Amino acid sequence: GEDVEQSLFLSVREGDSSVINCTYTDSSSTYLYWYKQEPGAGLQLLTYIFSNMDMKQDQRLTVLLNKKDKHLSLRIADTQTGDSAIYFCAEEGSGGGNKLTFGTGTQLKVEL
Amino acid sequence: GAGVSQTPSNKVTEKGKYVELRCDPISGHTALYWYRQSLGQGPEFLIYFQGTGAADDSGLPNDRFFAVRPEGSVSTLKIQRTERGDSAVYLCASSLGTGVGYTFGSGTRLTVV
Repeated sequence: GEDVEQSLFLSVREGDSSVINCTYTDSSSTYLYWYKQEPGAGLQLLTYIFSNMDMKQDQRLTVLLNKKDKHLSLRIADTQTGDSAIYFCAEEGSGGGNKLTFGTGTQLKVEL
Repeated sequence: GAGVSQTPSNKVTEKGKYVELRCDPISGHTALYWYRQSLGQGPEFLIYFQGTGAADDSGLPNDRFFAVRPEGSVSTLKIQRTERGDSAVYLCASSLGTGVGYTFGSGTRLTVV
């Protein structure tokens, strides 16, 4: 079965880097995603990585994928107070239809 | 519209009542998804439409839940005989059906009292 796990909470100081980790179990995942959710809002797609890549960089965001260990991470450089939110990783299985399995989310708190 | 629109944004209903939640996807998006997010959890898949047909309804928890998309655009999630455990945020998303990722609406917060 599919299972996606994340640590629940991360606190960093403004200007530092944040690293949010995720493990998944479906080795046939095609794409892996990071979504951001601010209070009272829907989910915003931040970035994604295809399963045959091991790294993707997009401005302040760097995604690392270790397919052997089924480990995904999101690094946010120069973290700002506006980055405070809940971050969800999600895997898309190979079964088609773009169905996603989400982790429980990591709450990122950015302190001054 | 510019984004995925869900109505109502909040719904309070009494246990045992019937509710309908509406989703207006982005114009031209053929794929539409319903997810449910309980407090402190990630979204859980309910059902996926490709056009008018339900391509995958494996996430619907039981036969009290039903969804339709009769014209391949707007979708309605219907819950019969609501229970307190149905309280959650119901999220809708849409996509072109090709490419990567999809766009979520802001959700409907359902509270069953």
